[in-house]
Amino acid sequence: GAGVSQSPSNKVTEKGKDVELRCDPISGHTALYWYRQRLGQGLEFLIYFQGNSAPDKSGLPSDRFSAERTGESVSTLTIQRTQQEDSAVYLCASSLFPPTGLAGHEQYFGPGTRLTVT
Amino acid sequence: RKEVEQDPGPFNVPEGATVAFNCTYSNSASQSFFWYRQDCRKEPKLLMSVYSSGNEDGRFTAQLNRASQYISLLIRDSKLSDSATYLCVVNGGGSTLGRLYFGRGTQLTVWP
Repeated sequence: GAGVSQSPSNKVTEKGKDVELRCDPISGHTALYWYRQRLGQGLEFLIYFQGNSAPDKSGLPSDRFSAERTGESVSTLTIQRTQQEDSAVYLCASSLFPPTGLAGHEQYFGPGTRLTVT
Repeated sequence: RKEVEQDPGPFNVPEGATVAFNCTYSNSASQSFFWYRQDCRKEPKLLMSVYSSGNEDGRFTAQLNRASQYISLLIRDSKLSDSATYLCVVNGGGSTLGRLYFGRGTQLTVWP
């Protein structure tokens, strides 16, 4: 079946502009995650949505970052007043959580959006 | 203390070699464990889950030691295509049950 999709694949923006990144999770996956990965660095957790529960926003680096999710489908990550240090690949993942038996916790990633702030 | 710690490497091995990666995790309540693989400039992909009894998938063997909070991945008969970064991944416990915590990764290069 279809995997996680993200758009755009690449985004170049000027410092100070707002950007919106989109994620379409795997159908039926109730949990959705956003991560950031700077060049040569590890994954940095940003935010986690699980069903109708309040999202876990503990990883958002500043109030310029926000995310929304419509039900159990599409999510958008918005970065306001972008800064050069926001340049990174933004990865979205989804999972079946809560798990069923041994399966469910594993996350499946989209191809990411490469954001460059000039 | 980080949730998941890995030796960053790099590991450089010849084709056909056996190589082992280790990782430790800090949350004793964690229940799910994985190894992911990330190729250069690509997204992480699930390599295998790690079960309590240990499990094998072809040339790859994963082991879990709950008492020591330690996970390992063994790759036998390395191939050039095994060159990648290997991420050790653990789920949270308690209120963070739905979160996965990713190690920084161990870089592997297999040379001809």
